[in-house]
Parts: sequence; C-alpha cells; structure tokens
Amino acid sequence: QKEVEQNSGPLSVPEGAIASLNCTYSDRGSQSFFWYRQYSGKSPELIMFIYSNGDKEDGRFTAQLNKASQYVSLLIRDSQPSDSATYLCAVIFNTGGFKTIFGAGTRLFVKA
Amino acid sequence: DAGVIQSPRHEVTEMGQEVTLRCKPISGHDYLFWYRQTMMRGLELLIYFNNNVPIDDSGMPEDRFSAKMPNASFSTLKIQPSEPRDSAVYFCASSTGLGSNGYTFGSGTRLTVV
Repeated sequence: QKEVEQNSGPLSVPEGAIASLNCTYSDRGSQSFFWYRQYSGKSPELIMFIYSNGDKEDGRFTAQLNKASQYVSLLIRDSQPSDSATYLCAVIFNTGGFKTIFGAGTRLFVKA
Repeated sequence: DAGVIQSPRHEVTEMGQEVTLRCKPISGHDYLFWYRQTMMRGLELLIYFNNNVPIDDSGMPEDRFSAKMPNASFSTLKIQPSEPRDSAVYFCASSTGLGSNGYTFGSGTRLTVV
C-alpha cells in the first residue's frame, strides 16, 4: 500500500513566524518528493521538489528530506496571511509502477 | 503558455447521464494525468498517459469511467452512467517525464451529480 501521511491540521501560526509542515511516506525506494500549495477552490501549484537528503531552500521556503526516516518537511519562514492554504506532500513511488501519490494535505492558517 | 486547460469548469448533471470532461495539456508535455479530489479521499490518480498511450488505469474506479487521448493536445474523461458518488473535482495535469519536476494542474472541473 502506497501511503503518504500528513497531519490534516489546521496548523495556526502568527504572522512572521515559521510554519513547519511534515510528511511521512511508506516506500523506502522513493526518490522524488514534492510540496504543492492549494488555495481553497483552486488547483494545486508546485512550490518545491527535492531529491537528495538534506535541505533545499527557495526564498522563504525550505524543504527538508531524510530518506532513512522516510520523512520530508516544509518550512515557511516569515509566514504571511497569503500563505494560508492547504499544503500537499507528494511522492513518486517507484515500486509497482511509477505513480505520484499525494497526501491528504495540511491546512495552514497564518494569523495577521 | 496558457497552461493546462480544462472544460467545463462546472458540470451539474442528473444521475444516469453521460458526462465528458476535457483537457488540453501544455504543449510539449508528454505525460497527462487525470486526478479526482474529494474531501474524504483527497487527490486520487485515476489514469495517466505517455505520448497519448494509456500507461496505468488502475485508479479508474469502475467500468463506468473511460479516458482517451486521441492526440497530444487533447484528452477526455467520460463517465457513463454518472452516479451521485462521482461528485468531485476532477483535475487534469501534465508534465515532462513522469513528473520528476512536478506537475502543472488545470483549474479542474467541479462535477455534481444529482
């Protein structure tokens, strides 16, 4: 069973704080990991992807990957009310065919 | 580029009717994916195509669902007959390769079957 697990939230943080979103996945052989942001009533949009263990930074966003622990996270620094959305973790599973499986998403609220 | 284009944006139909959803991928993208999103089940992969050929349709819920991609710029997802439990948002996405650089999603079709 291919699984991607996320805490559904909501996660509430004050404006300017760091928001930390977490994701675990079931397939140890997975190599590609993604974070998408989805505003209410809109389609998912890609924020970042990461392939290697460690950190990858893009502006206020940092993705962190630990393949040994099967864990990927997204940090949002200096959170803004406009960051309020659902964040979807996605993993390409390599076993039984290549498929991108999405987690259920974590709802983030940034309070002004 | 106009992105991935889906139509219609909203569809309301009566149970038993045929529904056809349409998608135009980004030019040059060789993979096309159909996903369904509900509150209960999240985003579920239904089927994906590579160079217009269906590769994996194991997510298609039952024989009432069918998908085609007659050319590189057009795909359809058909439900016949539709049922209330098919109500969901259906997204089309496209990518180069298997999505190792992520997908671009269309705006989605919100389907309501009454």
